[in-house]
Amino acid sequence: EAGVAQSPRYKIIEKRQSVAFWCNPISGHATLYWYQQILGQGPKLLIQFQNNGVVDDSQLPKDRFSAERLKGVDSTLKIQPAKLEDSAVYLCASSPGTSGLQETQYFGPGTRLLVL
Amino acid sequence: QKEVEQDPGPLSVPEGAIVSLNCTYSNSAFQYFMWYRQYSRKGPELLMYTYSSGNKEDGRFTAQVDKSSKYISLFIRDSQPSDSATYLCAMRVWGQFYFGTGTSLTVIP
Repeated sequence: EAGVAQSPRYKIIEKRQSVAFWCNPISGHATLYWYQQILGQGPKLLIQFQNNGVVDDSQLPKDRFSAERLKGVDSTLKIQPAKLEDSAVYLCASSPGTSGLQETQYFGPGTRLLVL
Repeated sequence: QKEVEQDPGPLSVPEGAIVSLNCTYSNSAFQYFMWYRQYSRKGPELLMYTYSSGNKEDGRFTAQVDKSSKYISLFIRDSQPSDSATYLCAMRVWGQFYFGTGTSLTVIP
């Protein structure tokens, strides 16, 4: 079974530029998550999709971050304009979405963003 | 107060030692408890999960949950250099996941 795919793996941009990340979840997984992980910290949820609908985006800085999951499969996360404090690893995860006791997340390798 | 508190470490132990990693939480509604291992420059990978108080064993790893004290632990027996990683505890309630900040572990050969 293929895992969660993310691209690019690394990105370096200057502040005020825009950047986009892509995620392809495990086939058949209904729920997709985007996390921000700052160095030395645990992942912080940015947005959660159930199929192509948003379940939780309460911690997404909506003035600069946007995300979409067209057709309920792959997803893109965009930052425009980027700030220095956006330097982090952006993790995508997916889960089957059954909400049962066995529900758990599978993470991709992450995209490491450096804003100069 | 954070939902999940985790001892930040870092921990450095000799090969073969028993390692204890710990998290506390404040939300009694948490239903599901997980430990993830994260190698440098990789995404977290699920190590163990449990939803009841008590112990769950998988090879050299034992996950312990004490819901009355709101405390979870991960024990690693006979630690190996390949166990060197950051360990994240995570908890779930109603489809929402909450992560600790991670404990960095180094096992010295």
